[in-house]
Amino acid sequence: EVQLVQSGAEVKQPGESLKISCKGSEYSFTSYWINWVRQTPGKGLEWIGRIDPSDSHTDYSTSFQGHVSITGDKSINTAYLQWSRLKASDTAMYYCARQSPFELDFGLWGQGTLVTVSS
Amino acid sequence: EIVLTQSPGTLSLSPGERATLSCRASQSISSSYLNWYQQKPGQAPRLLIYGASNRATDIPDRFSGSGSGTDFTLTISRLEPEDFVLYYCQQCGTSPPMYTFGQGTKLEIK
Repeated sequence: EVQLVQSGAEVKQPGESLKISCKGSEYSFTSYWINWVRQTPGKGLEWIGRIDPSDSHTDYSTSFQGHVSITGDKSINTAYLQWSRLKASDTAMYYCARQSPFELDFGLWGQGTLVTVSS
Repeated sequence: EIVLTQSPGTLSLSPGERATLSCRASQSISSSYLNWYQQKPGQAPRLLIYGASNRATDIPDRFSGSGSGTDFTLTISRLEPEDFVLYYCQQCGTSPPMYTFGQGTKLEIK
């Protein structure tokens, strides 16, 4: 089955680092971009950025640039979203979503990773 | 940055009725860049409509999209019980890449 499988829920303290993952299976991982989307009750769905797994080129929303980093390892079909210093305001559900370079939609989503940042 | 405003925030209807959900953009956008997603409780969003009017794979034909410029509509012709969930519109910018979502419309059973 073609799918994106994300890592499990995380509970962290402010100031800690975190790396969550998104693994693609049953498709050519380098043929699709991986986007990251944040969802919170207050702000809804927000696009964070994306990576082209074929060359690791990344694009970021200006709202998230500098606070998160998107990386990938095409040898294991996995993309990552990471923080070096978490804030309480990073508490959210995070989704990865696949996009064809020839299309303008997110046709396949991961199941989500809940990140809770609390002291 | 283009802002998408969805209305109404909540829509109360009965099974079998027709639902009309609106998405208005703060400036004109190409129809190719407007998508609709459905989100059920505890699940990730799912692509319903891409390019304003094209149904995604395995989406029932009771779902349809239309619109152009700044005004777009998602129509559900005959509501089924499983349709009473959340719906989001999304617009795609390409230079630079930027994807924004509306705040969502909740479809609830009347």
